[in-house]
Amino acid sequence: GAGVSQTPSNKVTEKGKYVELRCDPISGHTALYWYRQSLGQGPEFLIYFQGTGAADDSGLPNDRFFAVRPEGSVSTLKIQRTERGDSAVYLCASSLGGGGGEQFFGPGTRLTVL
Amino acid sequence: KNQVEQSPQSLIILEGKNCTLQCNYTVSPFSNLRWYKQDTGRGPVSLTIMTFSENTKSNGRYTATLDADTKQSSLHITASQLSDSASYICVVKDTGGGNKLTFGTGTQLKVEL
Repeated sequence: GAGVSQTPSNKVTEKGKYVELRCDPISGHTALYWYRQSLGQGPEFLIYFQGTGAADDSGLPNDRFFAVRPEGSVSTLKIQRTERGDSAVYLCASSLGGGGGEQFFGPGTRLTVL
Repeated sequence: KNQVEQSPQSLIILEGKNCTLQCNYTVSPFSNLRWYKQDTGRGPVSLTIMTFSENTKSNGRYTATLDADTKQSSLHITASQLSDSASYICVVKDTGGGNKLTFGTGTQLKVEL
């Protein structure tokens, strides 16, 4: 079946604008994760969903970042009042369950804030 | 704070040669350790996963080792190919809920002719 998909693949925006990044997990995967990867760094955890609820949002850097997963499938990461420091690749991953199962990653969305 | 450190930061080898990448971690309590391969512009793909009781695990030309006492792991690549050029990331999971992973910064490997 299809893997994790993310849209858009690239997003360029201006400082202060609002952006939404979308993640379509593998069908049937109940757990969904968002990570942020800066150039030359490993991914950094942002938020984890189990079903529709955010089970752990401790990685969100501040209240400009918010994510939803209203039907327990597709998730949207929302960033308000973007700053240049938000520029990074935003990766989404999903796993069959939340108990340590392998996470399958999408290709990421490259966000550039000018 | 859980941390994962990798060395070297980057590596260039000739096609056909072997190489070993290193990973040290301070994640506690430890659950498992994974090595991922990340091609440029792509998401990470899992190569191996090892739990506390496993010392070594192979996946084709990739062999990972784990020493849970010293909290070190290595990834050995045998008979390298051009397609092995990628970032190799060591990832450690603790036993806390949520399946949250701690990633290393990766080793950037380039295989040349």
